[in-house]
Amino acid sequence: GAVVSQHPSWVICKSGTSVKIECRSLDFQATTMFWYRQFPKQSLMLMATSNEGSKATYEQGVEKDKFLINHASLTLSTLTVTSAHPEDSSFYICSAMTSGRDTDTQYFGPGTRLTVL
Amino acid sequence: QKEVEQNSGPLSVPEGAIASLNCTYSDRGSQSFFWYRQYSGKSPELIMFIYSNGDKEDGRFTAQLNKASQYVSLLIRDSQPSDSATYLCAVNKPGTALIFGKGTTLSVSS
Repeated sequence: GAVVSQHPSWVICKSGTSVKIECRSLDFQATTMFWYRQFPKQSLMLMATSNEGSKATYEQGVEKDKFLINHASLTLSTLTVTSAHPEDSSFYICSAMTSGRDTDTQYFGPGTRLTVL
Repeated sequence: QKEVEQNSGPLSVPEGAIASLNCTYSDRGSQSFFWYRQYSGKSPELIMFIYSNGDKEDGRFTAQLNKASQYVSLLIRDSQPSDSATYLCAVNKPGTALIFGKGTTLSVSS
């Protein structure tokens, strides 16, 4: 159980275009999902917290108008990188939180590797 | 002081040995503690979590938590080359995002 999928797994786009990444919890409902970014050989950086039915909460320094997050249902959150530029090239990973008897646990999707030319 | 601290390594152990990975955290309000494994180019994979003081065992893995010392560790018994990866320690409070350490790189030599 607790499977999270992401689509696409990789994408190459031209500078100035927008890219949408989908994150789905396949076998559980997730009221909260998270979006992370990871540059090569660096640690995970939390970008935003996505709550179903409400606006996302962005971390300091993350442009909400550039990284649009929509949590349309209990199993789907999307991240749209608008007007992408080469410096946005990174590994984007989502996670979905499930609440168990003992604790809340985050399960990660496989990630999306974005390359902006 | 960083919220979650880990020695970046690399930690090198021979195959079959016990690998010991350590993590300290600063927020005494933290309630749950997680260990994730991340292979190069892949996303993190949950190994186990612990929320009570003491030891928790799952196969070759044992997590240890000491809330008084704000310390959590992961022991890997009978280390295998396939265990070579970066191990991420993470802590959280209920309903909030995980706070990750920078990870410890483990290298198991055959």
